[in-house]
Formats: sequence, structure tokens, C-alpha cells
Amino acid sequence: DGGITQSPKYLFRKEGQNVTLSCEQNLNHDAMYWYRQDPGQGLRLIYYSQIVNDFQKGDIAEGYSVSREKKESFPLTVTSAQKNPTAFYLCASMGNTEAFFGQGTRLTVV
Amino acid sequence: KQEVTQIPAALSVPEGENLVLNCSFTDSAIYNLQWFRQDPGKGLTSLLLIQSSQREQTSGRLNASLDKSSGRSTLYIAASQPGDSATYLCAVWLGYGQNFVFGPGTRLSVLP
Repeated sequence: DGGITQSPKYLFRKEGQNVTLSCEQNLNHDAMYWYRQDPGQGLRLIYYSQIVNDFQKGDIAEGYSVSREKKESFPLTVTSAQKNPTAFYLCASMGNTEAFFGQGTRLTVV
Repeated sequence: KQEVTQIPAALSVPEGENLVLNCSFTDSAIYNLQWFRQDPGKGLTSLLLIQSSQREQTSGRLNASLDKSSGRSTLYIAASQPGDSATYLCAVWLGYGQNFVFGPGTRLSVLP
């Protein structure tokens, strides 16, 4: 069953804590993306990666970090430097020219 | 900088109506345009992909058109059903090595 899997579905973070969101794909796609979605706003790009061991900052990269050690995996770490991390996070991968999305992770600061 | 807008922001229609959702982008130098559907609390589901060289794509009751020169795309939904209720987003892809730019979405409610 091919697709993109994000985990966990819900995540709670305490103040000052780093948390990591997982994104795995078995579609053999080279490009992967992380977006943030806030209520009433469009999707905003955090980071993207075109190939293994390479990634670029998006529009709102501050307070986030990523790695791309394997083609299938593109984890996103939300660091304590991110002052307002409560949001819905979406991961996508792209094959040929069409994008496919995971089901999202909702992160809440408690 | 590429900007994408969608009109209307929200739409409520009775079941059975045909409807049109609009998407506009400021820079015509796009590689393709994709329409997505998002249900509350869920990820995005791809509906239609239109390459920059194409004028339209169809899937079932959905038809999407693209006028690249004027920076516009429309999503036509025929014979709407309550199950069509969702937020519809359009996104333009700027090409290899670049990212997608999304519109804010149109929230559709189809009333039984």
C-alpha cells in the first residue's frame, strides 16, 4: 500500500522541549516537503528536499530543523526556538510533477 | 513573488447545483497547477493536475481549466453532493528545485 505516512497524528509539547515529527514515503519520490497550516491561512513552506542529504529553507524555517539521510524519510524537528509551534503540519512528496500529502500531525503546546 | 488567491473564501449551495471555484496566480511562469481537497483535520487529497501546456483536465464530476496567460484556473463541480463538502485548495508548482505555492482555499458546504 503506497503512500506517505506521518506520525504521530497528535503531539503535545511542553514549553522548551524539542519534538520530532515523522514523515515516511514508499513512493520512491525524490522531492519531499514540510508545510505548516494555521486556521484561516494557507499552507506555508517550512523546508523542502530534492535529494538525499540536501534540503533548502522555505518561507518560515526559523525554529525548525530537518534531515534527509534516506530517500524515504524526511523528519521535522520543532525546536524550543519556535515560539508559536501550535499548528497542523503536513508532509508531501512529489513524483514526476504531482504532489501527494500525508494525513498530517497536529502539534499543541501545553 | 508568486501569490495565489482563491474566490470565494466560502460557499454554501443546495445539493444538485453546479458550481465554480476560482484560483488566480500572479506569475504565469508556472510548471503546473494542482487542485486538492481537504476534509477537516485531514491531509490533502489530489483531485486534478494540469500541466502548464494543458488547458483542462476532467475526473468524474470535476473539471479543471487553466488559462496560464491570464493567471487563472477554475474548478467546476457538476451536480454537487453533500459528500463534496470540504475545503478546496489550488497550488502552483514553480518547477524543479522549487516549491508549491498554495492559495488559502475555498470552504464548500453542500446542503442536503
